[in-house]
This record gives sequence, structure tokens and C-alpha cells, in this order.
Amino acid sequence: DVQLVESGGGMVQPGGSLRLSCAASEFIFSSHWMSWVRQAPGKGLEWVANIRRDGRETYYGDPVKGRFTISRDNAENSLYLQMNSLRAEDTAVYYCARIDIWGHTFDYWGLGTLVTVSS
Amino acid sequence: DIQMTQSPSSLSASVGDRVTITCRASQDISIHLAWFQQRPGKAPKSLIYTGSSVRSGVPTRFSGTGYGTDFTLIISSLQPEDFATYYCQQHGTYPYTFGQGTKVEIK
Repeated sequence: DVQLVESGGGMVQPGGSLRLSCAASEFIFSSHWMSWVRQAPGKGLEWVANIRRDGRETYYGDPVKGRFTISRDNAENSLYLQMNSLRAEDTAVYYCARIDIWGHTFDYWGLGTLVTVSS
Repeated sequence: DIQMTQSPSSLSASVGDRVTITCRASQDISIHLAWFQQRPGKAPKSLIYTGSSVRSGVPTRFSGTGYGTDFTLIISSLQPEDFATYYCQQHGTYPYTFGQGTKVEIK
């Protein structure tokens, strides 16, 4: 079965940085676009970023553009999210998600990692 | 950005009921609409993509219809494990956007 395991979450002060990781297994990682999606406590889902199979094309939601960077290492089967200039409104569970082979939308999700931005 | 509006925001239903959830896009998204189920404290699960294509392993009681701006998720006979929150999402244009969710509760 497809496995996506996020790590790197925790508590950080406003203005700080954090790097999330997602370890992928049981599928050919380099064949799929990948994504980060977040969910603030008690709220709905919000798309954060997408990255192409080879890592050369990326897309971001407006709230994180210029502050977050999505990247990947296909040799290590890993997805990353570098988060800088963090704000209280970035507090959320961050999910790593795989996009299906046809490039439509998310088909598998990790369990998520919680990021809390607070002083 | 494309706005996705779900209705109702919540509903109460009994086991065996037929449940219908609608999702409206603020502009034409063709068939690029997905549905996800999220049980409390769990990660979302993909149910349907491109409007009506059911993911492998998803029970046949789940179906999706629609095109353009109006879409529907149907649960033909509600089961105990279906009590959850359901989200629609457009996947045709960046930024991807989700509906606000529909919580299905036990009557």
C-alpha cells in the first residue's frame, strides 16, 4: 500500500522557520506530482503547493507564496516544505498528498503533522 | 480564484438513507471536481475525481455527477462508517480550492 509519512512539525514563534518532510514508499515516487494541503484547527482543507514529477515546476496558494518552498528528492523518495516567516494563521495540520498518475488530483494522503505558530 | 460552495453545511440522516450533497463552482470547471471524505481526527480519503470517476476500493454506494458549475455526491444507502465530513475540490485551475465541507451526522 502507498505510504506517506510526514515529519518536522512542532511549535515555532511567529517569524520563525520550519521544514516539513514527507517520506514516500510503496510506489514510484518520481512518477507522481506531489502536494501539500493544510487544515487549521476545526477548519476546512486548504491547498498549499504542488510540485511536478521532476521538481522543475511548482505552484503555490496565495497565502504562502513567497514564504513557503516545496521541493523533492526523487533519489530519496522525499517531499519537503520549507516554511519561512511563519504567522499565527499558518497553524494547521499539514498533509502530504500524492496526485494520481493521470495528474488529476490527490489520491493518497499522509496522516499529517501539526505546525503551531505561537509566541 | 474559483469559489466552491457546498450545501448543506450539515445534515442529519439515518442508516439506510439516500444522501445528496451539492457543490457549486463560481465558474465553469468542466469535469475537474473531486470529492473527499474525512472522519474525525483522520486524514482525508479520496472518493471521486473528474466529477464521476470513483476511486478504486471505494464502495459502490458512492457516486458523483455533474459538469460545468454544478456537481452532486450521492450516497445511495448511508452506512455507519459514512458519518463524516465531505469536501468537494476543483482540480482544473490553480489555485486548487475546496468547498467548506458538509458534515453528515447521525439522526
